[in-house]
Amino acid sequence: EAQVTQNPRYLITVTGKKLTVTCSQNMNHEYMSWYRQDPGLGLRQIYYSMNVEVTDKGDVPEGYKVSRKEKRNFPLILESPSPNQTSLYFCASSLRGGTGIQPQHFGDGTRLSIL
Amino acid sequence: GIQVEQSPPDLILQEGANSTLRCNFSDSVNNLQWFHQNPWGQLINLFYIPSGTKQNGRLSATTVATERYSLLYISSSQTTDSGVYFCAVFGWNRDDKIIFGKGTRLHILP
Repeated sequence: EAQVTQNPRYLITVTGKKLTVTCSQNMNHEYMSWYRQDPGLGLRQIYYSMNVEVTDKGDVPEGYKVSRKEKRNFPLILESPSPNQTSLYFCASSLRGGTGIQPQHFGDGTRLSIL
Repeated sequence: GIQVEQSPPDLILQEGANSTLRCNFSDSVNNLQWFHQNPWGQLINLFYIPSGTKQNGRLSATTVATERYSLLYISSSQTTDSGVYFCAVFGWNRDDKIIFGKGTRLHILP
């Protein structure tokens, strides 16, 4: 089954304790992306990756890191989490064709609470 | 960057009613998608529609790229249609970012 898998689904942690949210897709998609969703603000792109070893900042990259060492995986790293990073996070992937980004497929989300 | 505005922000309808949701964007776009976020938070693809009209059951969408808007039509609403509807665009510029609107929250009353 084609899917995007995020882990964990829920996490409560404390300020300053490094954490990683994993994202994996099995569709051989080139484009992968992380979003955060906050009430009243919709979804905002954090980082995206056009392919292996190619990553770029989205609209809200501060406080986050990513890596793309393999095509299927795109982990999101919070080196020193702070309470303002409490949010619902989504990973997505899509093909990148000649006409641009193709339909995105989303993971089920990770609800992150930083105390 | 591209600005995406959705309207209305909230909509409450009786079951069986029809609705039209709008997505305006400020610049030319390479693609446009409509999503439904269900009450469990999952984002479900509805349409990939950079231009033209598509239909899927009770839902249809039209994008008029030259006039920079897209419409999502829901006919004969059911309570399972409740949730938030987002449009997302990918522009023709070179930064490859995807921009979401803030969504329309739809509540269908039984």
